[in-house]
Amino acid sequence: DADVTQTPRNRITKTGKRIMLECSQTKGHDRMYWYRQDPGLGLRLIYYSFDVKDINKGEISDGYSVSRQAQAKFSLSLESAIPNQTALYFCATSDPGSSGVEKLFFGSGTQLSVL
Amino acid sequence: DAKTTQPNSMESNEEEPVHLPCNHSTISGTDYIHWYRQLPSQGPEYVIHGLTSNVNNRMASLAIAEDRKSSTLILHRATLRDAAVYYCILRNSGGSNYKLTFGKGTLLTVNP
Repeated sequence: DADVTQTPRNRITKTGKRIMLECSQTKGHDRMYWYRQDPGLGLRLIYYSFDVKDINKGEISDGYSVSRQAQAKFSLSLESAIPNQTALYFCATSDPGSSGVEKLFFGSGTQLSVL
Repeated sequence: DAKTTQPNSMESNEEEPVHLPCNHSTISGTDYIHWYRQLPSQGPEYVIHGLTSNVNNRMASLAIAEDRKSSTLILHRATLRDAAVYYCILRNSGGSNYKLTFGKGTLLTVNP
């Protein structure tokens, strides 16, 4: 089983609809992230959370919200989806550890299309 | 944040070495150099990291310039499964605000 699981893998929705993308992890990491990937633009950080009570905006948080329901679960919501939110969304986790080196572990992504 | 510059694309032949360059002229003394790769239809995966010295692991080698303003990811014998987008990223080891910024990376094509 994957360590970082995203659901759904694919979603097509209409403009104005509310959408929730879910992420769960079995790695026991405190830190979780949501990224968005558009063709030719690399990955951009939407939101991140360092623990259950911590939520931080990334570089492109407008139009999105998140919920950290538990250490293992981090959901991304689009309250009113718009076509330019069509993209590939990735959830990731990390553990700072003691060495100062922090690796990210990514899920397989959710392809969202907003019509 | 310190920036990295990578070529948009590179091409290699199977079983030949591949050297993927990255420039990071504004790197700070506490920035680690990380490399990730993204295979088709998958999320990025960690490849290797280093601070000052060259590093080797089962996936690749990382060569870091003496002034740390550039680095090179080395795949010793490219395979078709190495075709991916490779990202060079700087990560500061200190500080409470953490963001790992992914640029556009280098698209590596491996020819059979």
